[in-house]
Amino acid sequence: AQKVTQAQTEISVVEKEDVTLDCVYETRDTTYYLFWYKQPPSGELVFLIRRNSFDEQNEISGRYSWNFQKSTSSFNFTITASQVVDSAVYFCALFNAGGTSYGKLTFGQGTILTVHP
Amino acid sequence: DGGITQSPKYLFRKEGQNVTLSCEQNLNHDAMYWYRQDPGQGLRLIYYSQIVNDFQKGDIAEGYSVSREKKESFPLTVTSAQKNPTAFYLCASSRTQDGWITEAFFGQGTRLTVV
Repeated sequence: AQKVTQAQTEISVVEKEDVTLDCVYETRDTTYYLFWYKQPPSGELVFLIRRNSFDEQNEISGRYSWNFQKSTSSFNFTITASQVVDSAVYFCALFNAGGTSYGKLTFGQGTILTVHP
Repeated sequence: DGGITQSPKYLFRKEGQNVTLSCEQNLNHDAMYWYRQDPGQGLRLIYYSQIVNDFQKGDIAEGYSVSREKKESFPLTVTSAQKNPTAFYLCASSRTQDGWITEAFFGQGTRLTVV
């Protein structure tokens, strides 16, 4: 079975603080993809990053960075110098690219991030 | 413009009635998905389909049914067997490009209220 766990239900920070959103996943397959999405109050899902299971390189994009560690099955997301516009629900997701569950895209429960001015 | 269209945006139904939610995409994506979103529970997978005429149950398929007769369409029927159908429903699609899976694109969602 595959599962995505985002242990932090809600996080509240003050603007300019750094914040890390945790994501732990479970899968039996060796080939998979991991994603992060943002859902602002308007409701649409905005894609942030994709990472496949063979690429453990960390990535930085502006104030966003991602740390992928297969050894701990984690794919954590850090926002540096947070801004009010970062307030949203953030989802981590796992795509199964092998085995009997090929094509299954599973999301975590989401983390509600609130950035106060 | 290419994208995923879910209609209607808001839907009201009486308890005991079946209702079908529409999802159409013109992105030429092979894979399509249906999710249900409830407060505090994230996105839960109802059904998914990788190719036409084939689909699989997700984690919460009971009380729902789908069809995939055309590549661009993946309608979801919420049956009277679904005990708590009031929720926000999201449809998504994705594709394989050069052997790599792309990100999923989402529709704007349909908010279903059963009274």
